[in-house]
Amino acid sequence: DAGVTQSPTHLIKTRGQHVTLRCSPISGHKSVSWYQQVLGQGPQFIFQYYEKEERGRGNFPDRFSARQFPNYSSELNVNALLLGDSALYLCASSLSGTQDEKLFFGSGTQLSVL
Amino acid sequence: GDSVTQMEGPVTLSEEAFLTINCTYTATGYPSLFWYVQYPGEGLQLLLKATKADDKGSNKGFEATYRKETTSFHLEKGSVQVSDSAVYFCALLYNFNKFYFGSGTKLNVKP
Repeated sequence: DAGVTQSPTHLIKTRGQHVTLRCSPISGHKSVSWYQQVLGQGPQFIFQYYEKEERGRGNFPDRFSARQFPNYSSELNVNALLLGDSALYLCASSLSGTQDEKLFFGSGTQLSVL
Repeated sequence: GDSVTQMEGPVTLSEEAFLTINCTYTATGYPSLFWYVQYPGEGLQLLLKATKADDKGSNKGFEATYRKETTSFHLEKGSVQVSDSAVYFCALLYNFNKFYFGSGTKLNVKP
């Protein structure tokens, strides 16, 4: 079975542009979470979605948005990109997003903003 | 607010040495605690977890005990291998849907 897949693997954008990152969860998983990992730091929680509804949001500006589709895949959108948005964006999936449930992480999308 | 603090790296050890990576946390309530590992070019993988005080998580020779009195969850391994070289993240899960990760500790194991 495929694990969590993310696309693209690498992306280069310029300031002010918009970006869309995609994530396909493990088959049967209904919860998807997004994390931002800046170089040298641990991942920071951005969003969690379950059954197409937002279940949690971290301390990120409104320029960050996400959605989940009926097939449980997800998109993370970032508008008006800033240099500080350069990071590895990780997607994680789980069966239902409940406490203590195991998260499975994808390899991430490396975003560089110039 | 909730947070996780772990020792800074890099940590460089010789093969078969004893490993300790310190992790302390700040949280209200009773979070679950985790160690994740990130190998070069790969995503995060769950290494072990503990869901309540005095629980010991273990996997692949690694162990960590949930110490509520010292708010700690230190990672240990008795004999490291070159293949253990990676970045290790301590994490706290609270309110069932959000992980707080530490900043990571890079481990280099030399043959």
